[in-house]
Amino acid sequence: DQQVKQNSPSLSVQEGRISILNCDYTNSMFDYFLWYKKYPAEGPTFLISISSIKDKNEDGRFTVFLNKSAKHLSLHIVPSQPGDSAVYFCAASAAGAQKLVFGQGTRLTINP
Amino acid sequence: DSGVTQTPKHLITATGQRVTLRCSPRSGDLSVYWYQQSLDQGLQFLIQYYNGEERAKGNILERFSAQQFPDLHSELNLSSLELGDSALYFCASSVVGTSTEAFFGQGTRLTVV
Repeated sequence: DQQVKQNSPSLSVQEGRISILNCDYTNSMFDYFLWYKKYPAEGPTFLISISSIKDKNEDGRFTVFLNKSAKHLSLHIVPSQPGDSAVYFCAASAAGAQKLVFGQGTRLTINP
Repeated sequence: DSGVTQTPKHLITATGQRVTLRCSPRSGDLSVYWYQQSLDQGLQFLIQYYNGEERAKGNILERFSAQQFPDLHSELNLSSLELGDSALYFCASSVVGTSTEAFFGQGTRLTVV
């Protein structure tokens, strides 16, 4: 039962262009969504989050969009930089829940 | 550096054995979470402790157990190990009882041979 899905295992983008990572969820009780970034041999690091009361949250080059009716969120990175090459995990939690439910991750490669 | 320390970083052991993974949370964090990441999979929630007490349980096998000590460090015990237990095991911590914006350690890579 995969409640959070990242259907693209990998994505390759040219440096300077926009990277768009997508995530779908099935549990309508989820009300908080996060993106984590993971480099090899390191733990995931928090990148950006969004509450279900919003449809957009921006932090520098990173913007997360939430479409509740479609149960879909996306992470936009503009402009993409080589240091953005990593695995990105989408995660979600429900109000009062103690755990994050993670997607399978998308490996982003930024090409010079 | 997230401030969450996990030891050991790597562990190789034989089937049927028992191992203990250790996690020291960030200073001041009361909650500790354990996650398992198998090959090419997302992170699967195992268990959470808050200030020494078990708070939530995920898909944790009966062969696995955990505890959080008075100094707030946590240990994950894996017994009767099988080949399929080979994975990355992450510990995360947060100040409060919900896992939003939890900080993750570097993980322990367990290889069962």
